[in-house]
Amino acid sequence: LAKTTQPISMDSYEGQEVNITCSHNNIATNDYITWYQQFPSQGPRFIIQGYKTKVTNEVASLFIPADRKSSTLSLPRVSLSDTAVYYCLVGETDSWGKLQFGAGTQVVVTP
Amino acid sequence: DTGVSQNPRHKITKRGQNVTFRCDPISEHNRLYWYRQTLGQGPEFLTYFQNEAQLEKSRLLSDRFSAERPKGSFSTLEIQRTEQGDSAMYLCASSLFAGGDEKLFFGSGTQLSVL
Repeated sequence: LAKTTQPISMDSYEGQEVNITCSHNNIATNDYITWYQQFPSQGPRFIIQGYKTKVTNEVASLFIPADRKSSTLSLPRVSLSDTAVYYCLVGETDSWGKLQFGAGTQVVVTP
Repeated sequence: DTGVSQNPRHKITKRGQNVTFRCDPISEHNRLYWYRQTLGQGPEFLTYFQNEAQLEKSRLLSDRFSAERPKGSFSTLEIQRTEQGDSAMYLCASSLFAGGDEKLFFGSGTQLSVL
């Protein structure tokens, strides 16, 4: 499974867009990219998942360049409630989900 | 609420005691995972089931840990002869896997404190 690298922390103000970039240089052809969000004392929550180009849902957007060696999670107009740890994971399609969590990125949103 | 349910939410035990945690996955989800998380770290994979079969177990997992998923429904994780190093949040997740990508749904976890 491809190892991922992401910033340890990021600070933002309410209403701003937050972009978290994750590196996964060893991503394989059949690997997909998933992002989870975790609040204190709760389990991680699925945010978004993609394989290539751009994916958008009601919560976030995921940008994946053509070489797929990195991906960027974009959170539009963050609020205080978006303060959380965000994890980037790489999983193998059609395989069992031994998704490897790294330490994640702590995002702190202030007024 | 039809999400993943874990019980108890908190468990305090003395070193050397056995503890058991329960996880009720989302109905009809065929895969169930156990993870462990310590403060400041991401969740660490422990083991997973597809239906009632335990298909993978982390090599880092001590023999004191055992998990079951009878009838492919709920699962239990037992830790025998607990040690202080076992103190952590134990997370359960489930998914409905039918090929392709996989999305895990996590419970709120069981926080274990070993004194």
